[in-house]
Formats: sequence, structure tokens, C-alpha cells
Amino acid sequence: GQQLNQSPQSMFIQEGEDVSMNCTSSSIFNTWLWYKQDPGEGPVLLIALYKAGELTSNGRLTAQFGITRKDSFLNISASIPSDVGIYFCAGSSWGATNKLIFGTGTLLAVQP
Amino acid sequence: EPEVTQTPSHQVTQMGQEVILRCVPISNHLYFYWYRQILGQKVEFLVSFYNNEISEKSEIFDDQFSVERPDGSNFTLKIRSTKLEDSAMYFCASRHPRQGRQPQHFGDGTRLSIL
Repeated sequence: GQQLNQSPQSMFIQEGEDVSMNCTSSSIFNTWLWYKQDPGEGPVLLIALYKAGELTSNGRLTAQFGITRKDSFLNISASIPSDVGIYFCAGSSWGATNKLIFGTGTLLAVQP
Repeated sequence: EPEVTQTPSHQVTQMGQEVILRCVPISNHLYFYWYRQILGQKVEFLVSFYNNEISEKSEIFDDQFSVERPDGSNFTLKIRSTKLEDSAMYFCASRHPRQGRQPQHFGDGTRLSIL
């Protein structure tokens, strides 16, 4: 089945540093989404990407939809302690269901 | 901002018992989903539901699982005879009916513990 490979698995950084994580797939997706999950909570949508090559920002977060439709990256600038959590990419293809295929997640720890 | 709500937040059940997880999707959404996340693993798709029927299900969603929209607001996931390996977080999600550029919004999940 479709799989998304996300890297790195975990990151331990100092407050103020920039962060970059990415997601690759062997399949083409029409939509890439980035979610953040805090412990005991559900995934919260950060950024949605709908066009190949699209670059979208949300505050300190920037994400891009790869030209091949098989990859995406998420950057976080000037990290702060509340950025701690697990970041998931998710892809979907337009169709009857738009089900999401999730990546394996990147655990981000920020040292104050 | 409207949100997806799920109850209960934590359900503890004996193996072999039936369990029903409940979700109230965002009110103007018409596509509904259930996902599962085993501890420490990624989120996995279980089933999608639209127009009062299942539109797609994964191989995880076997005959022990069923979904229902019993009224205009609730969306439920039933596991008929629970197994130890059903222990996981179960997330409900919903999406606006406009096709394409509408992301799924997730609830905070129900933690299901099977003893």
C-alpha cells in the first residue's frame, strides 16, 4: 500500500534554532497536509498544500509541496518550547474518500 | 472555532466485550472518518463514511467493526468483540463537502484500553 517516509525520526534542538523535516512517498498525492500532535490529543492541522510546487507559510512555519507530488518539507523558524510535539505529514488523493495516509512522524524536542 | 468532539476520552473494556466510541463531527461537514493510532505508531485509516454509507475501509476494518450515523449529529464506531490488539487511540475526523481543498479536522480521540 501507499507509504510515507518521514525524516528525521526525532530532533533535539535549542530554542531559537530553525528546524526542517521532510516526507517522501513512492506514490503521487494531490494534497499534502502537515499536522502537529501533542500528547493525549488529536492531530491539529498546521498547513495544507494543494498544488505541486506550492509554498505556504503559517507564522513561523513554512511548507512546500514537491514538484513531483511525491514529497513535501516543513520548516519551523526560530523554534520555541511550545513547538515540542510530534509532527506528521499526511497525503491524500482526490477521489471518493480523500482518506489520509500518514507519515511515521518526527518527534521535536526544544531545549529552552 | 467549531471542532470535532469525541466521547469518552478513555474507555477501559474487558476483552470480548462490545464497545461504542462516539463522535460529533463539525456541523456542516458531510464526510466522516475513523483513524486508529497504536501507542508510539503512526495514525492509520480505518474507514470513511459519506451519504449514510461506507465509502472506503482499510484491511484493519474487519467484520468486528461497524460505523453508524444514528441521527443528524453523532457518528459512532462499534467494535463487536474487542481483542487485546484493539487497544489504541481512536480518532474521528470530518471534512466539509466541497471537494478537493478541504482538509480533515480531527477530534482529541478516545483512548481504548482492552484488558
